[in-house]
Amino acid sequence: SQELEQSPQSLIVQEGKNLTINCTSSKTLYGLYWYKQKYGEGLIFLMMLQKGGEEKSHEKITAKLDEKKQQSSLHITASQPSHAGIYLCGADGTGGGNKLTFGTGTQLKVEL
Amino acid sequence: DVKVTQSSRYLVKRTGEKVFLECVQDMDHENMFWYRQDPGLGLRLIYFSYDVKMKEKGDIPEGYSVSREKKERFSLILESASTNQTSMYLCASTLMGALGYNEQFFGPGTRLTVL
Repeated sequence: SQELEQSPQSLIVQEGKNLTINCTSSKTLYGLYWYKQKYGEGLIFLMMLQKGGEEKSHEKITAKLDEKKQQSSLHITASQPSHAGIYLCGADGTGGGNKLTFGTGTQLKVEL
Repeated sequence: DVKVTQSSRYLVKRTGEKVFLECVQDMDHENMFWYRQDPGLGLRLIYFSYDVKMKEKGDIPEGYSVSREKKERFSLILESASTNQTSMYLCASTLMGALGYNEQFFGPGTRLTVL
């Protein structure tokens, strides 16, 4: 089965600093999904990557998928308190179907 | 906007009780999912359904059952709640898509405590 490893597990940054979260797969990624979760709430979809080398941005968040399609990174520029939460990556399961496998998440705290 | 709602945000039950968690989506999605989320373990799939009356076991189905009598509603049932089922339960739905097109829409979650 596909496994997703996220790093770091937790992160504390000062407001205004940049940061990067990584998601590594044991298998080729057909689709890589990034979600954000505020504490105690559901997941909010951020963006999806499919092609090797693909890069997408939304406001100050940029996600990339490497050429081999086994690693993705999420980069936040000039972090703000509103960026705080848990970031999870999810991937399409191999062998078809609509199930996603999720990483264990990265908890981000942004200090003033 | 796609909306996925869950019947309760917080629930407290006693060991041995039968517990029903309800999930409703309003976008005519074929697929619906139930996850539980625990610290350090991430999201783990309990059951999913790809059509009315159809269900498949996920990674951790033991102690749970599901029901999908209508397309928009997917229920998770704990036949006899135990303390190790204390967790955050998340419901999600998605269209029947191909690989790489499976963005899932999540409900707000139900935090269940079993005493």
